[in-house]
Amino acid sequence: DIVMTQSPDSLALSLGEWATINCKSSQNVLYSSNNKNYLAWYQQKPGQPPRLLISWASTREAGVPDRFSASGSGTDFTLSISSLQAEDVAVYYCQQYYNDPWTFGQGTKVEIK
Amino acid sequence: QITLKESGPALVRPTQTLTLTCTFSGFSLTTKGVGVGWIRQPPGKTLERLALIYWDDDKRYSPSLKSRLTITKDTSKNQVVLAMTNMDPVDTATYYCARISGAYSIPWGSPFDYWGQGALVIVSS
Repeated sequence: DIVMTQSPDSLALSLGEWATINCKSSQNVLYSSNNKNYLAWYQQKPGQPPRLLISWASTREAGVPDRFSASGSGTDFTLSISSLQAEDVAVYYCQQYYNDPWTFGQGTKVEIK
Repeated sequence: QITLKESGPALVRPTQTLTLTCTFSGFSLTTKGVGVGWIRQPPGKTLERLALIYWDDDKRYSPSLKSRLTITKDTSKNQVVLAMTNMDPVDTATYYCARISGAYSIPWGSPFDYWGQGALVIVSS
């Protein structure tokens, strides 16, 4: 199985600060034939299901604020929140859907300081 | 509008079989590229994809749970059913169903773009 490792496990920032979450996969998730990274980012607020934020490593889903951005390729990926808002308090997960079984990271909890 | 909803027992006894139904609307599980998966989340823990069924009835299972899982679909009812045998207290979790819609070619991967609200299943005697 591909192991997804996120860092940090949690972070607490002030409103308006920049948040960065890292995700590292134990194997490459870039499919060379189509040059796509099979990597997604989800946001999960308490008591809610996960919400897809980013697909294909860097494609923001419709309705996702543009303060959310993501980058990376191969085995190393990053989710950024450019100006942290109160409504961004959540746990964020990365997921690879390249190699079965699809696997998730352990999650990164984002809080307001 | 795309919706998915999980239904099934909230409490299951150890060794029993859990049967969960995902009833969806707003899309068809006969459309190429579409699939429905089951994902679970123990309290306070991360997500684990259990099983996935594609539009063409191809199926994928978590290797560690494969012997206990069966996923089926009924396209006429817009439902996907997951059966999990020999339940144990460690299987206590919120069980989600979710859709994929972009699995058009090898390696047949696509993110989960719509999720149900989840069903909490407690395994206890």
